[in-house]
Amino acid sequence: QKEVEQNSGPLSVPEGAIASLNCTYSDRGSQSFFWYRQYSGKSPELIMFIYSNGDKEDGRFTAQLNKASQYVSLLIRDSQPSDSATYLCAVPAWGTASKLTFGTGTRLQVTL
Amino acid sequence: GAVVSQHPSWVICKSGTSVKIECRSLDFQATTMFWYRQFPKQSLMLMATSNEGSKATYEQGVEKDKFLINHASLTLSTLTVTSAHPEDSSFYICSARESVAVWLAKNIQYFGAGTRLSVL
Repeated sequence: QKEVEQNSGPLSVPEGAIASLNCTYSDRGSQSFFWYRQYSGKSPELIMFIYSNGDKEDGRFTAQLNKASQYVSLLIRDSQPSDSATYLCAVPAWGTASKLTFGTGTRLQVTL
Repeated sequence: GAVVSQHPSWVICKSGTSVKIECRSLDFQATTMFWYRQFPKQSLMLMATSNEGSKATYEQGVEKDKFLINHASLTLSTLTVTSAHPEDSSFYICSARESVAVWLAKNIQYFGAGTRLSVL
């Protein structure tokens, strides 16, 4: 089993809808989780991170953690065409305090 | 804050030449920087972890003699692709992790804009 798994998509949602992106992780001891957005041909940019003590909301973005089922979700409310990108989930690699293990990313398409 | 500058943004070179890519943390100190490679439509692949003042740690399968990493200061790491060949053509991205950060943020990596390398 891969350490971090994401559905590659594409996930297609209409403009204004809620986009829900999921990420499963294998290390039950993971304490922090990161979501990055990557536009085609560009480098990743951090959207948000959460720690294991709860969900987090930042504007239209909400990150939710389900520790029992070992997955973390990213919800994007009022999706805009500019949200169309690949969303990468990252978790600290097992046994290290610095490396991140990235999922393969989910491609989101927001349609007009 | 947390800006990482990467230069050059793109480079075209002849096969057999060496190419140096710079990664700078502009507004914070970075004891640790990372170098990734990404092929079209694929995910990020970590190549190596660059530690200030010490040797880089390479991931399995990455040739250390081909991809030379130097992290001589807390704000600069360089990746040199030696004797580049067409198969080295890729998107190279660096990231930096703040040296002094609150415990929650200790693993946050900020990415440079990337360098697109084309080897002819």
